[in-house]
Amino acid sequence: KAGVTQTPRYLIKTRGQQVTLSCSPISGHRSVSWYQQTPGQGLQFLFEYFSETQRNKGNFPGRFSGRQFSNSRSEMNVSTLELGDSALYLCASSAKVDTQYFGPGTRLTVL
Amino acid sequence: AQSVTQLGSHVSVSEGALVLLRCNYSSSVPPYLFWYVQYPNQGLQLLLKYTTGATLVKGINGFEAEFKKSETSFHLTKPSAHMSDAAEYFCAVSWQGGSEKLVFGKGTKLTVNP
Repeated sequence: KAGVTQTPRYLIKTRGQQVTLSCSPISGHRSVSWYQQTPGQGLQFLFEYFSETQRNKGNFPGRFSGRQFSNSRSEMNVSTLELGDSALYLCASSAKVDTQYFGPGTRLTVL
Repeated sequence: AQSVTQLGSHVSVSEGALVLLRCNYSSSVPPYLFWYVQYPNQGLQLLLKYTTGATLVKGINGFEAEFKKSETSFHLTKPSAHMSDAAEYFCAVSWQGGSEKLVFGKGTKLTVNP
């Protein structure tokens, strides 16, 4: 089975722009979660989608949003980018409630 | 707020020595517990997990961890370190009966010296 894929792998944006990141889960997995990883804050939960519905949400501003499609693929969007949004964004998918499988991440740099 | 603490942001061991990475969590409510490893420029790979049952859990690459409820701990060990074990290790906990919302520790960077 193919693993979790994330596109693009690297992205450079400027302040004020918006960005969309994509995640394709492992086939058959219906839950997709997103995490932000920074040197200062570590790994932080953004949100989780299951069957196209947001089921959990972390403590991030409304500039961070996401959605899930009927094929379980997910996108996250960050609007009005700030320098502090520079991070590795990780997507994880799960079929059973006890295990998440992570993708390689998208490294976003905001200039 | 529920939290996960990994003692030691950097741990250095010699090749062949015991690896011990510490993890404590904040709540006495039985959680699901995980250890992940991250190699440079890569995502997270699951090493092992505890959900229910036997408290000593064996994972990949010779790692194991023991859930100690009374100590709210889930320390990761490996009897003999290998150069390829050099990476960053993250302890994660889920208190929602599943892993959909993981709370991570800050990570421990393991260096293995020849």
